[in-house]
Amino acid sequence: SQQGEEDPQALSIQEGENATMNCSYKTSINNLQWYRQNSGRGLVHLILIRSNEREKHSGRLRVTLDTSKKSSSLLITASRAADTASYFCATDSYSGNTGKLIFGQGTTLQVKP
Amino acid sequence: ETGVTQSPTHLIKTRGQQVTLRCSSQSGHNTVSWYQQALGQGPQFIFQYYREEENGRGNFPPRFSGLQFPNYSSELNVNALELDDSALYLCASSWYDSNYGYTFGSGTRLTVV
Repeated sequence: SQQGEEDPQALSIQEGENATMNCSYKTSINNLQWYRQNSGRGLVHLILIRSNEREKHSGRLRVTLDTSKKSSSLLITASRAADTASYFCATDSYSGNTGKLIFGQGTTLQVKP
Repeated sequence: ETGVTQSPTHLIKTRGQQVTLRCSSQSGHNTVSWYQQALGQGPQFIFQYYREEENGRGNFPPRFSGLQFPNYSSELNVNALELDDSALYLCASSWYDSNYGYTFGSGTRLTVV
């Protein structure tokens, strides 16, 4: 079963614009991670934010986490055509001695040149 | 530092057959997890291995089994293949402390006919 929902399911923007994707989840978490996937291939780890953090930056990426609302957002600034991909949030709900990721359905981002 | 390598990249099997997928973990990582991603969906956790023992399992039947070897490489075995097993199978390696994130391989695309 999927942990959360991502919004929007699809997003189309022009190069240079900002892209914002949102993720909601249901249970308490250890951390939340964002991944990118190109053309149904492997997942590339983008950024991890721990449950005691509220905001994190990495290059053109900004992630926020609101544990009271069980939600996160990923902002990609100054988007490029190469950012075209599917983006997934994944929560790590460390249970006992097992860490496992529970993924959302993903947001498909198209950046037009 | 090497990444995660999966083999084969593509595979076609007949319903009822058995399949073995392979994964070489990133150097230094001691934990490996396997995920199944159906078309248009987010990945779903199958199981995790740590120190050659299964360390947690998702909602998958026993015909999905795995192994982790002393060099931390891993295998995913699926018996009695069903059409619904057609998916992208992703391997991810990590430290036992999952707060350092996961490194995913490029996946094996399995088609069951």
